[in-house]
Amino acid sequence: QVQLVQSGAEVKKPGASVKVSCKASGYTFTNYGISWVRQAPGQGLEWVGWISTYTGVTNYAQKFQGRLTMTTDTSTSTAFMELRSLRSDDTAVFYCVSGPWVHSFDYWGQGTLVTISS
Amino acid sequence: QSALTQPPSASGSPGQSVTIACTGTSSDVGGYNYVSWYQQYPGRAPKLMIYEVTKRPSGVPDRFSGSKSGNTASLTVSGLQAEDEADYFCSSHAGSNNFVVFGGGTRLTVL
Repeated sequence: QVQLVQSGAEVKKPGASVKVSCKASGYTFTNYGISWVRQAPGQGLEWVGWISTYTGVTNYAQKFQGRLTMTTDTSTSTAFMELRSLRSDDTAVFYCVSGPWVHSFDYWGQGTLVTISS
Repeated sequence: QSALTQPPSASGSPGQSVTIACTGTSSDVGGYNYVSWYQQYPGRAPKLMIYEVTKRPSGVPDRFSGSKSGNTASLTVSGLQAEDEADYFCSSHAGSNNFVVFGGGTRLTVL
């Protein structure tokens, strides 16, 4: 079955960087792009960005431009999201998501809680 | 503030139907047939319930249906069951600069 398994929870200080991984299994990794979606505590969902697992082309939400990098390692079917210059309002659960439907997310990772605290 | 507008809450009794609206603009909901709906239980990852406005992924009960009129999309849950009590989020494609935008979510309570 399809699985997206993410790395564990992180605690970072303001101004630091975090890199979250997402290992896919159960399907051909390069068939579908990977997006990242975050959810602040008690809040709604927010699309962070997307990467083509086939070409490496990225598309980031405007508010994260300049401090976000998404990459993939096709040899291990793993996607990575690095967010820099972290602020307290970046505290959230980050999900990697994918799936066959355009602009819809059928596969979800378990989520990675990133806590920004001094 | 979310790009798409949903009511914060909705409710219905078992067996009834409830409809949740998701209002956007001609740049998102009204401009594309890429509206999705997600169900989320507390502490869990969301689950895709509807994609491309009306389509259901395999395994989603046909009690869940989607529609769209103009800039407003809707999710209807028929024959409400206790297990339908959850948060529901809509999303829409919004062009090349913002692939996907979400609604703020609606908490559905089964009375």
